[in-house]
This record gives sequence, structure tokens and C-alpha cells, in this order.
Amino acid sequence: GEDVEQSLFLSVREGDSSVINCTYTDSSSTYLYWYKQEPGAGLQLLTYIFSNMDMKQDQRLTVLLNKKDKHLSLRIADTQTGDSAIYFCAEIRNAGNMLTFGGGTRLMVKP
Amino acid sequence: NAGVTQTPKFQVLKTGQSMTLQCAQDMNHEYMSWYRQDPGMGLRLIHYSVGAGITDQGEVPNGYNVSRSTTEDFPLRLLSAAPSQTSVYFCASSSVNYGYTFGSGTRLTVV
Repeated sequence: GEDVEQSLFLSVREGDSSVINCTYTDSSSTYLYWYKQEPGAGLQLLTYIFSNMDMKQDQRLTVLLNKKDKHLSLRIADTQTGDSAIYFCAEIRNAGNMLTFGGGTRLMVKP
Repeated sequence: NAGVTQTPKFQVLKTGQSMTLQCAQDMNHEYMSWYRQDPGMGLRLIHYSVGAGITDQGEVPNGYNVSRSTTEDFPLRLLSAAPSQTSVYFCASSSVNYGYTFGSGTRLTVV
């Protein structure tokens, strides 16, 4: 199985909050990232969190990290239709600088 | 700065043909890597390089070769294309201090 796991799909209404979850298995992860991919496009870095942090907030985005449970979440406040995309979490481990990605969560925002 | 440039954006190959996907970065990053993206499987690492002259295999290296003769360029070669290599390919460059930058992707179809 994958080392980084995400649920496949999330649907929310415009204006609601979205919470996208991610679990990982390697306790040596140093940085954890959230990327956004719009249809036909590349990956856009949204935010990241260092492993010694519990929370990071950046405008509408809040990242929560629970190292004990190896659980990462991305909360998008006041979700807009432009937030519809696939969201990938990814980790970098102590052993190198290579990213390991989750399978991606498709966020659909309904008007 | 152009960032990470991938060419071509689209390619159709016949089974057994060979080709090279080009990737160039102008940020003087030491790390470069190639990923393939398949539906429901996220991004998987094919090959990576930690510096000029140094390459190593990732998660799914079979059927692909890479070389890193300069810091800027990291081409990915398909030696004998197979339908299983139909995918979207992303090149990325990174450095310890600046994280990852992705190219816009190459959509490859092998018929």
C-alpha cells in the first residue's frame, strides 16, 4: 500500500469549510506539503509545515499536524468554486530530499 | 526566471519507439526528479538526481533511463515505449532551502 494515504473525493458547498485529510507512515518525515492541481495543469505548492510544528495558518488555509497519529489535514475556509481541484499531500523524509505523494483528493465545490 | 521547463507538452508514440522527454531548470537547484501521474495513483517517482553526474532509481524506474550531465538538464529517455507508459510526466527541481518546483507536465500516449 501507499506510504501516504488520502481519501479520493470530497464535495462541499460554496462558502463552507473543506477539510482534506492525509495519513503518512514514516515518522522521520521532516516537511509535509500540500499541492493543488487544477485540470490539465501542473502542481502548485499551497503550503507546507515543518514536522516540529502543530499548526500553520496562511489566509484561508490552515494546516494541522498530529505527529503522534501521523495525520495531516488541510482546512480551506470559505471554499470557493475556484478551489475545485485535486489536492495532494506529500512528505519529505530524513533519508533524502525526495517527495512521496499521496494519491490525491478531488475537491468539488458546488455553488 | 523560467523555473522548470518541460518539452514536449504532448506526445503520441507507437509501441517500441524511443523518445526523450526534456527537462531544464534555471534555478541552480541541486535536486531534480521525474514523476509519472496515473489516475488514482498520485505521483510516483521514476528517477532522481542529487547533483550533476549522480542519478538513482525511484519507485518505478523500469523502462526509463536518465542522465544528469549538467546541473540544468535532466532528460528522461523511454527506450522502447509500451502502452503501460501512457501517463502524464512531471519533472521537478528542488533545493534544501527552496523546496520543489514542478514543470507543467508532458502528456504521453503510447498506442
